Amino acid sequence: GAVVSQHPSWVICKSGTSVKIECRSLDFQATTMFWYRQFPKQSLMLMATSNEGSKATYEQGVEKDKFLINHASLTLSTLTVTSAHPEDSSFYICSARIPGQGTETQYFGPGTRLLVL
Amino acid sequence: DAKTTQPTSMDCAEGRAANLPCNHSTISGNEYVYWYRQIHSQGPQYIIHGLKNNETNEMASLIITEDRKSSTLILPHATLRDTAVYYCIVRVARNNNDMRFGAGTRLTVKP
Repeated sequence: GAVVSQHPSWVICKSGTSVKIECRSLDFQATTMFWYRQFPKQSLMLMATSNEGSKATYEQGVEKDKFLINHASLTLSTLTVTSAHPEDSSFYICSARIPGQGTETQYFGPGTRLLVL
Repeated sequence: DAKTTQPTSMDCAEGRAANLPCNHSTISGNEYVYWYRQIHSQGPQYIIHGLKNNETNEMASLIITEDRKSSTLILPHATLRDTAVYYCIVRVARNNNDMRFGAGTRLTVKP
């Protein structure tokens, strides 16, 4: 299957700092990428849809000024958690969809675990 | 997208077939059935998908009932590494939206 990578795989930061997470599609171009968040023992929750060359679409309840998304190329989307606080500690997962496939399967990255102290 | 219902958890003996059921009684004619799994602390992994015919790949088989209201994912020879949460998702093909995850089934493969 298609490969999606994330960097870093884990990060620890102090409260009030900003953290950037990268999501790359390694062997295909993705016009659309998705960002999810997963808290312990819970399922994945969509945060936003990232479209190459345009503004991201955020889910209700997700602060767009706190979670900045940039999708500047067909292989890279970034999520920046600004002024992170302990409640932002979570597992962040991106996914990308291969355009043009009949059923448009989504492939997921390995996730980034964020711990805010 | 149609709603799905899966058992919360299941156990399976190593080497035996794992059969994971999914109910999707409100599925529409143009909706596919997708299966993903998530091993602890990893991103979801695509397993298989189908519309109405049974499908098989190197990982699993997908059996969809004739009325398409339910399906079963079969792992033919479960190993300890198959322990994961398995998600059944129903969605329209060529949908600009994402995959919506429910609670899934936590499969534990025991030695």
